[in-house]
Amino acid sequence: KAGVTQTPRYLIKTRGQQVTLSCSPISGHRSVSWYQQTPGQGLQFLFEYFSETQRNKGNFPGRFSGRQFSNSRSEMNVSTLELGDSALYLCASSLVAEDTGELFFGEGSRLTVL
Amino acid sequence: AQSVAQPEDQVNVAEGNPLTVKCTYSVSGNPYLFWYVQYPNRGLQFLLKYITGDNLVKGSYGFEAEFNKSQTSFHLKKPSALVSDSALYFCAVRDNTGNTPLVFGKGTRLSVIA
Repeated sequence: KAGVTQTPRYLIKTRGQQVTLSCSPISGHRSVSWYQQTPGQGLQFLFEYFSETQRNKGNFPGRFSGRQFSNSRSEMNVSTLELGDSALYLCASSLVAEDTGELFFGEGSRLTVL
Repeated sequence: AQSVAQPEDQVNVAEGNPLTVKCTYSVSGNPYLFWYVQYPNRGLQFLLKYITGDNLVKGSYGFEAEFNKSQTSFHLKKPSALVSDSALYFCAVRDNTGNTPLVFGKGTRLSVIA
C-alpha cells in the first residue's frame, strides 16, 4: 500500500511569491492534516480536513490556506511568502477523523524562502 | 486548549543503557497520548499510543511509555538503547472530545553513543 505522497519534495521561492503544496493520502484515508516544522517551534498544526470540510485550523495568518478534494487529496497554499515561512511542511492522513487513530505522515515538502 | 511539553531538547545516552525521553501534557478531560519518531529527512513514524487501560504501553522497536495521570506525564522509555535509536522524538496529545487536532511537543533529539 502506497504511503502518503507529498509534492514537491523541495522548492525554493523568493519573498512575495506564492506556493502550492500537494498531498495524496493513503488510499482509503479520508482525513488529512497539515503541520509546519521548524527547528525552533517543532511541529505546529495548520489545518485538518475530513471529507472536503475543514475541521480545525491552527493559529496561522490568512496567507495560509488549504483545501481537500473529493478524492481526499489535499493542497495547501501560502501567499505573499515571508522568510519565516521557510520550513518543512508535513502532511498526515488517517482513516477517518478519529480521536484514537494514529497519523501517517508523508516525508514533507521543504520550502526555502529567499 | 491542549499542550505538550518536552523539557529536554537533547538527551544523550550510551549504547546499552536505559533511556527516558520526558513528556508532560495539559488537556481538558481524558487525554489520548502518542509518541512519534523522526529520522533525518523523513516524516514522522508512529511508535505507540495510550488511549485507555493499562498505564504501561508497549510499542515499536522495543519502546514503551508510562501514562501517569497524577503527574500528567507520558515518558518514553527503552531498557537498552541502540545507536540506531538516535533520532528526533515527538510527544503528542489530543483530548477525547473528537473535535481537536493532534498537538505536538517541540521534540527531543536522542543521541545514542556507541
